[in-house]
Amino acid sequence: GEDVEQSLFLSVREGDSSVINCTYTDSSSTYLYWYKQEPGAGLQLLTYIFSNMDMKQDQRLTVLLNKKDKHLSLRIADTQTGDSAIYFCAESIRTSYDKVIFGPGTSLSVIP
Amino acid sequence: DTEVTQTPKHLVMGMTNKKSLKCEQHMGHRAMYWYKQKAKKPPELMFVYSYEKLSINESVPSRFSPECPNSSLLNLHLHALQPEDSALYLCASSTKRTSGGYNEQFFGPGTRLTVL
Repeated sequence: GEDVEQSLFLSVREGDSSVINCTYTDSSSTYLYWYKQEPGAGLQLLTYIFSNMDMKQDQRLTVLLNKKDKHLSLRIADTQTGDSAIYFCAESIRTSYDKVIFGPGTSLSVIP
Repeated sequence: DTEVTQTPKHLVMGMTNKKSLKCEQHMGHRAMYWYKQKAKKPPELMFVYSYEKLSINESVPSRFSPECPNSSLLNLHLHALQPEDSALYLCASSTKRTSGGYNEQFFGPGTRLTVL
């Protein structure tokens, strides 16, 4: 089946690292994405990882993929108040149009 | 130009009105999408256009009518909507991979629709 799960809430102190976790069920995933959504705004693509990669780093963001366990994580180093948002994990499944399945989103609150 | 734009930002309409949402991108993306997002929920796919042709309709009621007049524009025509259709409507676009399939989707800021 097609299902993506995330914990719904995460609270961290400013300056600490945040780790947002995601699990997915479809083993035919091609790409996995992290999107950020601030209140009243659209989705901003933060980063993505190809399914045959283990890790990707982009400035403060580190994505880890454990394909065996179907587990994806996003680490945000030195979390700032501007990082407060909802973070959606998503997987792309090879169909006629690469269907994207979104998780429920994790609401990250950064405490000053 | 590296963004997807949507107009209007906000729209309030009655159940008997006809209105349209517009989406535009000038990134040369040949796939465009409409999503509906309710509060505190992930986006739900409504329609996919590929090379200006409708390729996917996720069983959306006929009161929503998409249109892709050219490779840069995507419209969503609304007629006889219900209050439960109130939501954030997001447009997205992506490129096509040479190996088949589509790359990451880029989203617009959305139109906040309220149906009275």
